[in-house]
Amino acid sequence: AQSVAQPEDQVNVAEGNPLTVKCTYSVSGNPYLFWYVQYPNRGLQFLLKYITGDNLVKGSYGFEAEFNKSQTSFHLKKPSALVSDSALYFCAVRDETSGSARQLTFGSGTQLTVLP
Amino acid sequence: DTAVSQTPKYLVTQMGNDKSIKCEQNLGHDTMYWYKQDSKKFLKIMFSYNNKELIINETVPNRFSPKSPDKAHLNLHINSLELGDSAVYFCASSHSTDTDTQYFGPGTRLTVL
Repeated sequence: AQSVAQPEDQVNVAEGNPLTVKCTYSVSGNPYLFWYVQYPNRGLQFLLKYITGDNLVKGSYGFEAEFNKSQTSFHLKKPSALVSDSALYFCAVRDETSGSARQLTFGSGTQLTVLP
Repeated sequence: DTAVSQTPKYLVTQMGNDKSIKCEQNLGHDTMYWYKQDSKKFLKIMFSYNNKELIINETVPNRFSPKSPDKAHLNLHINSLELGDSAVYFCASSHSTDTDTQYFGPGTRLTVL
C-alpha cells in the first residue's frame, strides 16, 4: 500500500522569504516521489520528481525538494518566494513495487499564499 | 502544440442526462488516466489505460465508462448523471516506464443541476 500526507492545508509566507511545503509518504518498497502545482482553474503542472540518486532534486521555477529516507519525507522548498508562486501544491507517491498499475497517490494539497 | 487537451472545458447538464468528455494527447505516450477532483481539491484516480487496455479501475460507479479508440485518446462517458458527479475531471498521460511523469490536461468542470 502507498500513501502520502501533506500536514498543512495552508502555508503563508512573505515574498522574498524561503518557503517549505511539507510531504511525508509511506510505501512498501522504494518510493517514486513527485511534486505538482495547480494554479486556479488550471490543470496540474509537473515541478520535479525523485526516482533515485541525489537526495536534493531541482525542478522548475527555482523549486527544489529534499528526499529524506529516514524521515520518509519529501519537502518542497524555494529559497526566495514570489507572489506568483501562490498556488495549490500536490505531493504524489508511487511505490516501485506497484507493477504495471503505476498508480500515483496524491496528497490532499497545500495552498501556498505568498504575501507581498 | 497542446500536449494533453480535453473537451469541453465546462459542462453544465441536468441530472439523469448522459454526457461524454474527450481527451487527446500528442506526446506519444502509451498510458492515459482519468482523475476526479472534488470540491475540496482532493484528487483521485478513476481509470488508467495502457495501449488501449484497462489497467486501473478504481471503485467508480459503473455509470462511468472509459473508452480508448487508440492510445492517443481516452474518452469518459457518464450515464444517468447525478448531483454528486459534479467535479473537475482531469485527463493525464505518461510513458509506460517505471519512472514516468504524468502530464495533465486543463480539466473539465462538470456541473450537474
